[in-house]
Amino acid sequence: DADVTQTPRNRITKTGKRIMLECSQTKGHDRMYWYRQDPGLGLRLIYYSFDVKDINKGEISDGYSVSRQAQAKFSLSLESAIPNQTALYFCATSDFGRGSYNEQFFGPGTRLTVL
Amino acid sequence: AQSVAQPEDQVNVAEGNPLTVKCTYSVSGNPYLFWYVQYPNRGLQFLLKYITGDNLVKGSYGFEAEFNKSQTSFHLKKPSALVSDSALYFCAVRDNGNTGKLIFGQGTTLQVKP
Repeated sequence: DADVTQTPRNRITKTGKRIMLECSQTKGHDRMYWYRQDPGLGLRLIYYSFDVKDINKGEISDGYSVSRQAQAKFSLSLESAIPNQTALYFCATSDFGRGSYNEQFFGPGTRLTVL
Repeated sequence: AQSVAQPEDQVNVAEGNPLTVKCTYSVSGNPYLFWYVQYPNRGLQFLLKYITGDNLVKGSYGFEAEFNKSQTSFHLKKPSALVSDSALYFCAVRDNGNTGKLIFGQGTTLQVKP
């Protein structure tokens, strides 16, 4: 979805390096999410945020941190990258609809390789 | 614990034939179910969702899904497959809390052959 952008699209780095993945959205949504995708495992939630001051851990937050710089921006950091963090990373947004059952809108993904 | 299962890693179908991609779920309370498609080098695109009401849900690109509460299933279907439907398909269920989190299945690769 062009309304959700991620940078970089591809990144190769070395073990121990600090990496930041950035996500921006123009949909005006309050909620933003970071997932990682691994073959055969589907998507797993790393962190999510309801607004600038509300950040929550997902099921696999160890080794990651996030920053919600503004309503439209949500960054994911790997403080010291390790090879098993090699994956496809997706940012997603959703509206705070009644009942919170609105669909999520995904960015194009960042393919990260840690050597 | 809530979960979603897609029992088939890959589904192969000939162009023009009907297709089904299977999904079963486990949740407490009412399920809110979604299907997404991922084309190569692209993000996930929303196809359809079931919240309440009619058990047959119609979505994008001619896809539909049938909600079956007794079998806890939400299978994705299309009457006539196209080669361009070849992609990775994910079923997801919304977390029961007020977070909007989605729990995804493992994904099923659909291969439509001419």
